[in-house]
Amino acid sequence: AQTVTQSQPEMSVQEAETVTLSCTYDTSESDYYLFWYKQPPSRQMILVIRQEAYKQQNATENRFSVNFQKAAKSFSLKISDSQLGDAAMYFCAYRSAFGSGGSNYKLTFGKGTLLTVNP
Amino acid sequence: GAGVSQTPSNKVTEKGKYVELRCDPISGHTALYWYRQSLGQGPEFLIYFQGTGAADDSGLPNDRFFAVRPEGSVSTLKIQRTERGDSAVYLCASSLKATGANVLTFGAGSRLTVL
Repeated sequence: AQTVTQSQPEMSVQEAETVTLSCTYDTSESDYYLFWYKQPPSRQMILVIRQEAYKQQNATENRFSVNFQKAAKSFSLKISDSQLGDAAMYFCAYRSAFGSGGSNYKLTFGKGTLLTVNP
Repeated sequence: GAGVSQTPSNKVTEKGKYVELRCDPISGHTALYWYRQSLGQGPEFLIYFQGTGAADDSGLPNDRFFAVRPEGSVSTLKIQRTERGDSAVYLCASSLKATGANVLTFGAGSRLTVL
């Protein structure tokens, strides 16, 4: 079974600065998807960014980018120019790419990192 | 609808009571998922529907939990004889298909508190 580990329960950053959230995972599969979700106090999980394991290029979405190290099974999220609205819980998640016999419909989440943005 | 809608937003009940939590997915999404998020934890998979059938209910913790999706749209998660340990946020999500590439859209969850 796959596991996802977020070793930073809490992080803080000054507004306009950069912060990196860490995530490691364990899997024996060669093809999979990795996600970062944001969960504000409203509770709704919002997709921040997605990475496909077979793509070597790191995904980028505006101020959000990832550092995907497949051999090290590491998937960190970098938030540049942090804004007050970035404050939330951030969850790293794994999803298999394989169909029958694989749980490609199931997301496995880490425990989350609470990000505080200081004005 | 425009998003995934879950009702009630909050539910407080007494130990031993029966509760129903409703999820209205995005129109046209054939795949529907239920997750449970306990305090301080990430969401954990409960059940996945493809159309009307439960394709995988391996995450349901015990036989007090049951979910249905009779017409392939709205789903109801049913919990019998609630226990204090059932207190959590129950998240519903839907996606167009269930393949790995498809992005899940989550609702805002139903917070269940069992006294």
